[in-house]
Amino acid sequence: NAGVTQTPKFQVLKTGQSMTLQCAQDMNHEYMSWYRQDPGMGLRLIHYSVGAGITDQGEVPNGYNVSRSTTEDFPLRLLSAAPSQTSVYFCASSYSTSGRSQETQYFGPGTRLLVL
Amino acid sequence: KQEVTQIPAALSVPEGENLVLNCSFTDSAIYNLQWFRQDPGKGLTSLLLIQSSQREQTSGRLNASLDKSSGRSTLYIAASQPGDSATYLCAVRAPPGSQGNLIFGKGTKLSVKP
Repeated sequence: NAGVTQTPKFQVLKTGQSMTLQCAQDMNHEYMSWYRQDPGMGLRLIHYSVGAGITDQGEVPNGYNVSRSTTEDFPLRLLSAAPSQTSVYFCASSYSTSGRSQETQYFGPGTRLLVL
Repeated sequence: KQEVTQIPAALSVPEGENLVLNCSFTDSAIYNLQWFRQDPGKGLTSLLLIQSSQREQTSGRLNASLDKSSGRSTLYIAASQPGDSATYLCAVRAPPGSQGNLIFGKGTKLSVKP
């Protein structure tokens, strides 16, 4: 298994540009989520999905869109990039949100985004 | 609102020492607690997961304990090695039926000196 993969590893954008951060997992996990990590702020949840076709907002959703058309993929879209979105973005997945004894979350390697 | 605090923010120890990292959380209604390791410029690697009904979990030189009633967890690292140098993150997960997401502490940056 490749686990959780993210592309690109690094991206530079200009203010106002749009882009999509890709996330894929090959573990047949139901639950997928996006976090951003900022110095002094820790990791904060942006959006999450409990299965294909179902998404919901996390703690800091503004400026981001997500969709979940398949179990494997969970892309994160920046509609109009702003300098405040400069961060490291992590995608994570786990088997289920409920009823399971082992629900370790697996994280991807991250995407470093710089918005100028 | 659940808040997770990790103390200290940074820790430097000589090789071979046993050490304890602390994690506290404000709401005891958790589903589980997970300890992660993050190396510079890398993603998070899960170290140990403790279910709310458990008191501790062990993996090699690592032992994590959970006292849900007092809102505390500790990660004990025995005989520390330079390779243990990393940031250690604690995260709690809300019960089933809620968002199911993790609430993270800001981490403890550990440096083990040869």
